[in-house]
Amino acid sequence: EIVLTQSPTTMAASPGEKVTITCRASSSVSYMHWFQQKSGTSPKPWIYDTSKLASGVPDRFSGSGSGTSYSLTISSMEAEDAATYYCLQRSSYPWTFGGGTKLELK
Amino acid sequence: QVQLQQSGAELAKPGTSVKLSCKASGYTFTSYYIYWVKQRPGQGLEWIGYIYPGNGGTYYSEKFKGKATFTADTSSSTAYMLLGSLTPEDSAYYFCARRNFAYWGQGTLVTVSS
Repeated sequence: EIVLTQSPTTMAASPGEKVTITCRASSSVSYMHWFQQKSGTSPKPWIYDTSKLASGVPDRFSGSGSGTSYSLTISSMEAEDAATYYCLQRSSYPWTFGGGTKLELK
Repeated sequence: QVQLQQSGAELAKPGTSVKLSCKASGYTFTSYYIYWVKQRPGQGLEWIGYIYPGNGGTYYSEKFKGKATFTADTSSSTAYMLLGSLTPEDSAYYFCARRNFAYWGQGTLVTVSS
C-alpha cells in the first residue's frame, strides 16, 4: 500500500500569503489528485492529474510534482480557501488518501 | 446536472448490517463507476472500493473485503453498499462518488452503538 504523508498537518495563512501543501508518497506514483473539504460538506475535486484545475477552481491554485513528491500551491491566500485539503493516489491499489492538511485563515 | 443522493443517517447495533444507497441522476448510470469512501468524524478519507453498474463488476480495498458489499440496481439508477458485522469502528460518514471522484453524494452517517 502506498502511504501518502501530507505536510503540514495544520497551518494558518494571512490574506495574500503564499501557501504550499506537500504530499509525499512512500512509492512513486504517476499522478496526484487533490480535494478540498469544508466542515460538514462532501469533498470537492480540486486538482487532478497533478496540475489540472477542476472546474470552478480559482487560478491562484496550482499543482505540481512527480514521482514521490507533489504539492498544491495557493499564490495568494483568500478567506474562502480555508479548508482541509487531501491528496489522493490512484496509481496503485488500494487507492490511498493523505491524512489531510487543515488550512486556516490567520 | 449530475447528482448523487444518498440515504439518511443510520443508527445500528453492533453485529448487525446496514444497507446504504446512492441514487444517481443526470447521467447514464451504467456508464460510470461509483466509488465509496469512508470518513470517521474529524478524520481523513479512506477508499473502500468501487462498482461498475454497467456489468456489476466490483473491486474492494483489502481492508474492506468481507465488510462491504456493493450492488447496483440499473432500473432505479441506484448503487448500494451493504456494511456487515458492524462494530463501533464502522461509525463514520460514507460517501459515494462518481468516476474520477468528479461528483460526490452528500454522505450518510452510520452510528454503531448498543
